[in-house]
Amino acid sequence: KNQVEQSPQSLIILEGKNCTLQCNYTVSPFSNLRWYKQDTGRGPVSLTIMTFSENTKSNGRYTATLDADTKQSSLHITASQLSDSASYICVVRAGGYNKLIFGAGTRLAVHP
Amino acid sequence: DTGVSQDPRHKITKRGQNVTFRCDPISEHNRLYWYRQTLGQGPEFLTYFQNEAQLEKSRLLSDRFSAERPKGSFSTLEIQRTEQGDSAMYLCASSNSLDSKVEQYFGPGTRLTVT
Repeated sequence: KNQVEQSPQSLIILEGKNCTLQCNYTVSPFSNLRWYKQDTGRGPVSLTIMTFSENTKSNGRYTATLDADTKQSSLHITASQLSDSASYICVVRAGGYNKLIFGAGTRLAVHP
Repeated sequence: DTGVSQDPRHKITKRGQNVTFRCDPISEHNRLYWYRQTLGQGPEFLTYFQNEAQLEKSRLLSDRFSAERPKGSFSTLEIQRTEQGDSAMYLCASSNSLDSKVEQYFGPGTRLTVT
């Protein structure tokens, strides 16, 4: 069964600190992996997309890594800001399918 | 604003009533998706269209749910005889099949509350 699991479920950090969110997936065949940011009451917004051959991709203070062998990905947030408070969702697209498989998300709260 | 738009943003209805939501995708996108998201969970796929053809439906889409995209542009999602379990955020997304990574762009969602 195609699944995406994320950890931790929730996280609280202080403004300015770094954090790393984890994603494990069992999706076959793998096409690409995305990280989305979803503010409360809004639709998800894409941060990064990585294919099988990409190990790291950055978008400003966000850096995503992908290990296709162990089927793990991480999202590292550097120098967190209050506006980083949101849910971060790991999403995997299975090859040949047009639907995405979503994780449950990690709820991040950045406190001053 | 040329992003995906959804209407209404919020809907409160009584159990048993019918509701209809609308999604306007990004104009050049030929694919349109509907998802449902409950609190604390990621979105769950409901159905998707390529142009006006509905190509896939999830088992989550019971016979009380129907989606249309009559002219290959906007789409509607109707829920008949609503139940309290239908309370959720309904998200619409669109993409262009010519985009190799098939990036999906999400709308702001319609929050449905069934009382």
